[in-house]
Amino acid sequence: AQKITQTQPGMFVQEKEAVTLDCTYDTSDPSYGLFWYKQPSSGEMIFLIYQGSYDQQNATEGRYSLNFQKARKSANLVISASQLGDSAMYFCAMREGYQGRRALTFGSGTRLQVQP
Amino acid sequence: GAGVSQSPRYKVAKRGQDVALRCDPISGHVSLFWYQQALGQGPEFLTYFQNEAQLDKSGLPSDRFFAERPEGSVSTLKIQRTQQEDSAVYLCASSLTGTLRSGELFFGEGSRLTVL
Repeated sequence: AQKITQTQPGMFVQEKEAVTLDCTYDTSDPSYGLFWYKQPSSGEMIFLIYQGSYDQQNATEGRYSLNFQKARKSANLVISASQLGDSAMYFCAMREGYQGRRALTFGSGTRLQVQP
Repeated sequence: GAGVSQSPRYKVAKRGQDVALRCDPISGHVSLFWYQQALGQGPEFLTYFQNEAQLDKSGLPSDRFFAERPEGSVSTLKIQRTQQEDSAVYLCASSLTGTLRSGELFFGEGSRLTVL
């Protein structure tokens, strides 16, 4: 079974509009962390936002917020007021356990294109 | 430098050649990860080091892949007898601590390997 599922291969959004990128995850570990990364054409993975499984509040970082629905195992990324520079690939990732395996498992990504 | 540095950025190899990819992590970072990213896919975990110890190599696809970090800083990923299916971007990431929380993982820009 896929650990991280991103069902939107590509998304379009108008500049200044908000957009939601979907992510669902699968784990039986009660302790886990969820991440979103942005990958522009240069190839570098840029950290955007993090949500811990025990965090009570949804994470926010500037224009990025994470809509964390634990019962549904979803961790959607919301980008408000889209900018042309937001055009990139976006990856959802999960780390299971706290002291266990330390690697992130990534989804297949969503390509976001912001249109003027 | 301030970030994770990888070299070469681009490598073209003939099938059967050996290649070596270098990663220079952020100074003082304890953890180092290698990922393989095929075209249009999310990164796939290859191996993990904590200082000079290779704690997890479960993601290495075959015994042709070998990674080392002899002094706990620079790491080299070596691929022997390259095959066309090895064509991918190889991402290196480092983390300050041995545990992975929040956004502590920093990625390099990757080494793009093309095997002809």
